[in-house]
Amino acid sequence: AQSVTQLDSHVSVSEGTPVLLRCNYSSSYSPSLFWYVQHPNKGLQLLLKYTSAATLVKGINGFEAEFKKSETSFHLTKPSAHMSDAAEYFCVVSDGGGFKTIFGAGTRLFVKA
Amino acid sequence: GAGVSQSPRYKVAKRGQDVALRCDPISGHVSLFWYQQALGQGPEFLTYFQNEAQLDKSGLPSDRFFAERPEGSVSTLKIQRTQQEDSAVYLCASSHVADRRPYEQYFGPGTRLTVT
Repeated sequence: AQSVTQLDSHVSVSEGTPVLLRCNYSSSYSPSLFWYVQHPNKGLQLLLKYTSAATLVKGINGFEAEFKKSETSFHLTKPSAHMSDAAEYFCVVSDGGGFKTIFGAGTRLFVKA
Repeated sequence: GAGVSQSPRYKVAKRGQDVALRCDPISGHVSLFWYQQALGQGPEFLTYFQNEAQLDKSGLPSDRFFAERPEGSVSTLKIQRTQQEDSAVYLCASSHVADRRPYEQYFGPGTRLTVT
């Protein structure tokens, strides 16, 4: 069975400081992992995806994530936060056993000026 | 180009009424997903279509929920005898890939359903 745990419901950073959003997953198969972002009153947008190629994945807007199988983690990072990064972020897992896609509960990122 | 569209954007229903929510996926996209997103939570998978075939409906919460995609493009999610716990945002997503290893899903803006 698949599951996703986002370890922080809220993260607050100052503009220009690093961002770390944590995600742990559980999957019976080799998983596909994604991070999506949801800005207020906007649709979900893909940030990046891992599908068994390189373990360090680069996405849009300077975000990246590292797949660590031994830790079953897929944490999202960004070296320097921007005000426009304030949004809800979802870690998502899907495995080769089916089409079901599992979202984490979300982490709301606040960016202070 | 046009993205995924959903209608209506907002729906208020009295408890016990039936509702129908429409999703227009990106043209040519084979895969279509429905999700339910309760307030303050992540989207929860409801069902998946590959063309007109409903390959996974394991997330539908009860037999009051029914989805169809008869011609492999537009999809409708129907909820019969709505209950207050059905209040949520219903999201539709589509993907151009039909493979057991899913690729990027493109999401619509959602339909916010409020049951009073």
